[in-house]
Amino acid sequence: KAGVTQTPRYLIKTRGQQVTLSCSPISGHRSVSWYQQTPGQGLQFLFEYFSETQRNKGNFPGRFSGRQFSNSRSEMNVSTLELGDSALYLCASSLRELMTGANVLTFGAGSRLTVL
Amino acid sequence: KQEVTQIPAALSVPEGENLVLNCSFTDSAIYNLQWFRQDPGKGLTSLLLIQSSQREQTSGRLNASLDKSSGRSTLYIAASQPGDSATYLCAADSGYSTLTFGKGTMLLVSP
Repeated sequence: KAGVTQTPRYLIKTRGQQVTLSCSPISGHRSVSWYQQTPGQGLQFLFEYFSETQRNKGNFPGRFSGRQFSNSRSEMNVSTLELGDSALYLCASSLRELMTGANVLTFGAGSRLTVL
Repeated sequence: KQEVTQIPAALSVPEGENLVLNCSFTDSAIYNLQWFRQDPGKGLTSLLLIQSSQREQTSGRLNASLDKSSGRSTLYIAASQPGDSATYLCAADSGYSTLTFGKGTMLLVSP
């Protein structure tokens, strides 16, 4: 089955611009979460959506926002880009297993954003 | 606030060695502990997930253990191979797919 698809894979923006990243989860997965990975801070949780509702949010400024559509696809937006927003943005979809109750996350390949 | 620490930050071993990667977390109220592998410039590949009620999980040459009371997990890799070279990340799941990651252990296995 198809994995988690993130687009675009690479993009370059300049300071002050905005960017929208897209994530298509595995079919049947209703939870989508977003993470930012930088060399200095490592992987940090941004937010999580389930059935079009944001259930949890990490400690990021309001410039970072997201949404989820009825087909579970998700987008995240970063406005007024800063140099420090340069990072690998990873999306994960998950499905709680019925037998074990384990919530297994499957990650996409990521979108690498460079801000100049 | 959950904090996850991984030791060592980097490890270089010759092929064939058995090795242990360590992960510690500060808040024992976790749903599960996951180990991931990340190759340079790539996304994350899930290796093992240990639920909070379990003590260990095994997959091939990999074995992960969990001790919630002490806030520790270990990943044991048997008979290491050059293809195992990657960064290994542990993550504590506090619910709602909110994972707190360690900074990772960069592993290099030399032929």
